Amino acid sequence: AQSVTQLGSHVSVSEGALVLLRCNYSSSVPPYLFWYVQYPNQGLQLLLKYTSAATLVKGINGFEAEFKKSETSFHLTKPSAHMSDAAEYFCAVSAYSGGGADGLTFGKGTHLIIQP
Amino acid sequence: GAVVSQHPSRVICKSGTSVKIECRSLDFQATTMFWYRQFPKQSLMLMATSNEGSKATYEQGVEKDKFLINHASLTLSTLTVTSAHPEDSSFYICSAPNRDRAYNEQFFGPGTRLTVL
Repeated sequence: AQSVTQLGSHVSVSEGALVLLRCNYSSSVPPYLFWYVQYPNQGLQLLLKYTSAATLVKGINGFEAEFKKSETSFHLTKPSAHMSDAAEYFCAVSAYSGGGADGLTFGKGTHLIIQP
Repeated sequence: GAVVSQHPSRVICKSGTSVKIECRSLDFQATTMFWYRQFPKQSLMLMATSNEGSKATYEQGVEKDKFLINHASLTLSTLTVTSAHPEDSSFYICSAPNRDRAYNEQFFGPGTRLTVL
């Protein structure tokens, strides 16, 4: 079984400041990890994914995340926040074993607020 | 590539009626699709796995007789909410993994907002 914990249901940063969204996971097998962004009344857009190839993963819109096995973390960062980054962010884990696709397990989400 | 569509995007129905939601993979085939439910300001919860040519598998606590899933082809899965009640009002999102991607990368539809009066 796997689970995801996102620390902070709301995070507020100033425009131009560093964005840090925290995600910790639990998985009984080596995980695949994902960050998705959701704008109001829309589906989910993939920001980036960890698939065991590299621990530092770069995604779209300037976001990146680092997989730290020792800390069971996959925190999302962006050096400089933009107003358009305001949205809901979800961390998700999959324990895909190669035998077939699995549904994702999502964290509760973090609402990112950008202050002008 | 890897686009998933849902129809309708928004539906309002009366209590007791049934509502069908379609999920289509537009440019790839999906033997498996997933249905999620999202309540306001909450996370997505996996409801069921839709399998082409076989029965869907439901997560614990999800009533299979209420949420009927049919995966009739490699590009279409439907979710029917039977005898809908106000508590079924929610945002329903489907996803499909691209078989060409080995990492269970899911592509999500835009969601369907169901409101039951």
